[in-house]
Amino acid sequence: GENVEQHPSTLSVQEGDSAVIKCTYSDSASNYFPWYKQELGKRPQLIIDIRSNVGEKKDQRIAVTLNKTAKHFSLHITETQPEDSAVYFCAASKGPTGGGNKLTFGTGTQLKVEL
Amino acid sequence: NAGVTQTPKFQVLKTGQSMTLQCAQDMNHEYMSWYRQDPGMGLRLIHYSVGAGITDQGEVPNGYNVSRSTTEDFPLRLLSAAPSQTSVYFCASSYSNGYGANVLTFGAGSRLTVL
Repeated sequence: GENVEQHPSTLSVQEGDSAVIKCTYSDSASNYFPWYKQELGKRPQLIIDIRSNVGEKKDQRIAVTLNKTAKHFSLHITETQPEDSAVYFCAASKGPTGGGNKLTFGTGTQLKVEL
Repeated sequence: NAGVTQTPKFQVLKTGQSMTLQCAQDMNHEYMSWYRQDPGMGLRLIHYSVGAGITDQGEVPNGYNVSRSTTEDFPLRLLSAAPSQTSVYFCASSYSNGYGANVLTFGAGSRLTVL
């Protein structure tokens, strides 16, 4: 089955700096790659996603890039703020033919934005 | 519109006891799933359903049963609780937009402790 590796497991940045979290996946048939943010004690929530026919997607301070050849994708957060502090999960899936909601998640990155 | 509702929020069981975690969604989503979250291991899929009457196993199904008699409900049953099942459980629902978009809406989570 699919295997998603995520690095780093913890990341500490100064407010205003950029943060990058990287994930690799094993199944070349995967075609959908979402990122979820989980604040302490809360449920995970989708922050951005990308499909395999797109190389990059941006939403304000957040961007995701995808390299299908290398089978890796990354989350970029610019101008980090204290409210960005959370655990971030990447995930991958193969779409409807692979099970509509069968997401495989990475192990998470604890991001801490220091003042 | 309540989204995804999970009950109970907290539960303590003794080894060997059985219980059911309830999950209901009011968004008419076709897909529902159960994940468990353990420190350093991300979110792992237990069971999922692509529609009423259809269920399938995820990554870690042993010790758990599910059924999907209606679109709205997807209960998770622990048959004989073990300490290894101590975890936070998340139910999620999602829909497919035809390109494998698996935008998950998570419930608030259920923290289970097995003594």
